[in-house]
Parts: sequence; structure tokens; C-alpha cells
Amino acid sequence: DTAVSQTPKYLVTQMGNDKSIKCEQNLGHDTMYWYKQDSKKFLKIMFSYNNKELIINETVPNRFSPKSPDKAHLNLHINSLELGDSAVYFCASSQVLLSGNTEAFFGQGTRLTVV
Amino acid sequence: KQEVTQIPAALSVPEGENLVLNCSFTDSAIYNLQWFRQDPGKGLTSLLLIQSSQREQTSGRLNASLDKSSGRSTLYIAASQPGDSATYLCAVEFKGGADGLTFGKGTHLIIQP
Repeated sequence: DTAVSQTPKYLVTQMGNDKSIKCEQNLGHDTMYWYKQDSKKFLKIMFSYNNKELIINETVPNRFSPKSPDKAHLNLHINSLELGDSAVYFCASSQVLLSGNTEAFFGQGTRLTVV
Repeated sequence: KQEVTQIPAALSVPEGENLVLNCSFTDSAIYNLQWFRQDPGKGLTSLLLIQSSQREQTSGRLNASLDKSSGRSTLYIAASQPGDSATYLCAVEFKGGADGLTFGKGTHLIIQP
């Protein structure tokens, strides 16, 4: 079974549209994340979500909003898509311990292309 | 500012060689450090996780070390194979910083048959 799965794998859409990417983890982890990998392959954290607490990277536009219907899911909604939003988006999860987070597991990524 | 740097950015070696990838980070207050592998167009595969209290971890032909005080980690690959060709990413979970992992820009590794 896939530990962290995200859909769709590919998403092509026009500027100005609103789209969502879904993520599910079956590891029982209590923290989930969204990362963005830009055209230069640099990975950067966008959000972390733990037990209804959302931590947002200050560089993320407010057009991006994560939504968690339950502990196993963290979906990413993007409004008014722009050309610069084209990237690969990765979902991840980990378990928070007193000693620090455990190993992070990543989904296979969603390649978003805005035209 | 909490940053992770990887050197070299790219490396090409003949099959069978042992090699070392380097990672440095700017703040020694960390929870853990994780090495990943990314194949072209694919997701991230976790290779090794080193907790801040540990010095090294081993998995098969891979060995990762951690020197927290100097802000360095190395990934040692023994007897390299063409199948090892990929981008290797170092990521650090910093204490007191933004949640989640801070990534280096990766080392693109090519093993020549």
C-alpha cells in the first residue's frame, strides 16, 4: 500500500482557474505538509498542519490554502492560478515526537502546469 | 537564516567507485537530518534518517554521518552502480524554525557504466 498518495499526478489548467490537489496518508502520522519544487528543482516547505494547527511559510501567497477534512488528508486548494504557480507539488507526512519529528514520507508529486 | 548547502552540485564517476556527497547546515540546533533520492520525474525516496543524538546510520551500501557541532553530514556510497544515478537531497529539521524540512539543492549523481 502506498504510504502517501496524491492525486492527480499531472494537472494542466489555464490561468485564472481554481484547482485542488488531494493528499492522503495511511501511516497514522499526525503532521502533514505541502512542499513546492520549482523549475530549478529546489524544494521548499509551504505548509505544515498538525492537529488543526496550520503553520504557513510566509512566502506562500494567500491564493494557496490547505484544507484537512481529517487527520489522514491534507488537500491543497489554489485560487486564481498564475503562470508562476507551475511546479511540482509534494505532499508529505511525519509523526511528531518529543525528541523531534520522525522520518518524513513523501508522495509522488503532482506536476502542475498553468498555461 | 537556517540554510542547507550541498556540494558538489553534480558528480559523474565510473561504476564501482566509492563516493562521498556533502551536506552542510547553518544551525546546529536540529531535530534530525534526512537523505533522500529523487529520480527524474519521480518523487522522493527516503534513504537514511539521522536523529540529532546519532552520529551515523547505515543501510546496505549507504552510510550517512552527522557532525552536528560543525553543521555537516556526509553520504557515503560504496561500490557505486549505474542504478545509483539520481539526485540526492539532504534535508534538515531545524529546531525553532519553520516547521518541516529545509532542503539543500541536491547533488546530481551520474554513475558511468
